[in-house]
Amino acid sequence: GEDVEQSLFLSVREGDSSVINCTYTDSSSTYLYWYKQEPGAGLQLLTYIFSNMDMKQDQRLTVLLNKKDKHLSLRIADTQTGDSAIYFCAESDLNTPLVFGKGTRLSVIA
Amino acid sequence: DVKVTQSSRYLVKRTGEKVFLECVQDMDHENMFWYRQDPGLGLRLIYFSYDVKMKEKGDIPEGYSVSREKKERFSLILESASTNQTSMYLCASSPGGGNHGNTIYFGEGSWLTVV
Repeated sequence: GEDVEQSLFLSVREGDSSVINCTYTDSSSTYLYWYKQEPGAGLQLLTYIFSNMDMKQDQRLTVLLNKKDKHLSLRIADTQTGDSAIYFCAESDLNTPLVFGKGTRLSVIA
Repeated sequence: DVKVTQSSRYLVKRTGEKVFLECVQDMDHENMFWYRQDPGLGLRLIYFSYDVKMKEKGDIPEGYSVSREKKERFSLILESASTNQTSMYLCASSPGGGNHGNTIYFGEGSWLTVV
C-alpha cells in the first residue's frame, strides 16, 4: 500500500529556519498536505500543494515538491517557540482516505 | 466553524470491558473517520464511513467495530478492550465528493488507557 515517510525528530534554535522532509510512494497522489498538531489537540491543516506544482509559499511557510523523487519538504522561516509541535505529511489521490506519515516532532530551543 | 466533538477526552478502562468512543460533527459531512495515534507510528486508519449505515475497514480494524446510525455520529467500539489498545483516538469528518485533505476536520482526541 501507499507509504509516507518522515523523520521523527527535529530540533532548531529560535530564529533559525526549520526544514521538515517527507517522502511518499504513491505516484497517483494528487494533493500533498502538511498538518500541525499542538499538544493535546487534533490536527490542523497548515498548507497543501497540488501535484503539478513544485513550490508554494504562504507567509513563513514554503512547501517544495519534487514529484520525480516523490519528495516533499516544509520550510518554516524564523522559527518561533510557538512552532513547537508535531508536523504530519499526508497524501491523497482523492479516491481513498488520506495517508499520513508518522509525524516529525519539532522542538524549538529558545 | 466546523466542529468535531469527541465526548470523552480521557478514559481509563479495564481489560475485557466494552468501550464506546463517540464522535459528533455539526457540518452535515458525509465522510467520517477513526484514527489511532501512537508515538513513532503516526496516524493509522481504523475505520471510515462515507454514508449513514455504511462502514469500511481501514488499515488496522482488528479488535474494533463502528456504528453510524445517524449522519452526524460515528461511534468506535472496542468489544473487549486490551492493553495494546491504549492509545489516542482521533475522529475526523469531511464533506462527500472526494477525500480532499483541505476539507477534513479533526476532533481533539480521546486518550484511552486500558489497565
